[in-house]
Amino acid sequence: GQNIDQPTEMTATEGAIVQINCTYQTSGFNGLFWYQQHAGEAPTFLSYNVLDGLEEKGRFSSFLSRSKGYSYLLLKELQMKDSASYLCAAMDSNYQLIWGAGTKLIIKP
Amino acid sequence: GAVVSQHPSWVICKSGTSVKIECRSLDFQATTMFWYRQFPKQSLMLMATSNEGSKATYEQGVEKDKFLINHASLTLSTLTVTSAHPEDSSFYICSARGAGPQETQYFGPGTRLLVL
Repeated sequence: GQNIDQPTEMTATEGAIVQINCTYQTSGFNGLFWYQQHAGEAPTFLSYNVLDGLEEKGRFSSFLSRSKGYSYLLLKELQMKDSASYLCAAMDSNYQLIWGAGTKLIIKP
Repeated sequence: GAVVSQHPSWVICKSGTSVKIECRSLDFQATTMFWYRQFPKQSLMLMATSNEGSKATYEQGVEKDKFLINHASLTLSTLTVTSAHPEDSSFYICSARGAGPQETQYFGPGTRLLVL
C-alpha cells in the first residue's frame, strides 16, 4: 500500500532550526511536496522536490532522497508565525498526491 | 504563486438543504481541480478529482449523488452538497492544477460548512 509517515507534533524555540522528516512508500514516484497549513486555513505550497538533493528557498529548505524514500523540511531562524502544520505529500505514478497526516509545529518564545 | 478563490468562505444551512461551493482559478487555467474535506484536527481527505469538461472521479466512499461536482470551464469548478446533514459539516477545500500532471496544486482558502 501507499503510505506517508511524519511526526505528529514537534516543538522548537523561536530563532532555532527545526527539521521535519517524512518517509514515503508509493506506487511509482513523481515528486514530493511540502505544504504549510495554519490552523483554520487552507494549505499553502512551500516546495516541490523530484530530484535528489537540497532545495533552498529563504528560511525554508527541502531535501529528498529517492533511494531512501525520505524527505525533510528544514526551517531556520524560526519565527512565531511558523507555528502551523506541515504536510508532506508524495505524488505517485498516477500523479495522485498521497498525503501525510501533517506535523504540528509549536514554536515557543 | 497561482491564486485560487473559493466562495462562500462560510455557510450555515438547515438540514435537508443544498449548498453550492464555487472554486475559481484566478490567474491560470486549471485543467484539473480537486475537492478535499477536512474534519477538525484531521488530515486532508480527497473527495474527488475533476477535469474540465468531463465527469469527476470520486474517491472510494464518497457518494457522487450527494456531492455533485461540475467543472464546466478551465477556471471554475463547483461542489454541491445535496440534502446536507449535520455530519456533512466540515471544512471543504478545493485545489487547482495547471496542464501538467506534475504541476503544483494550489489551494483555495476553504469553505466552512455548518449544517444545523
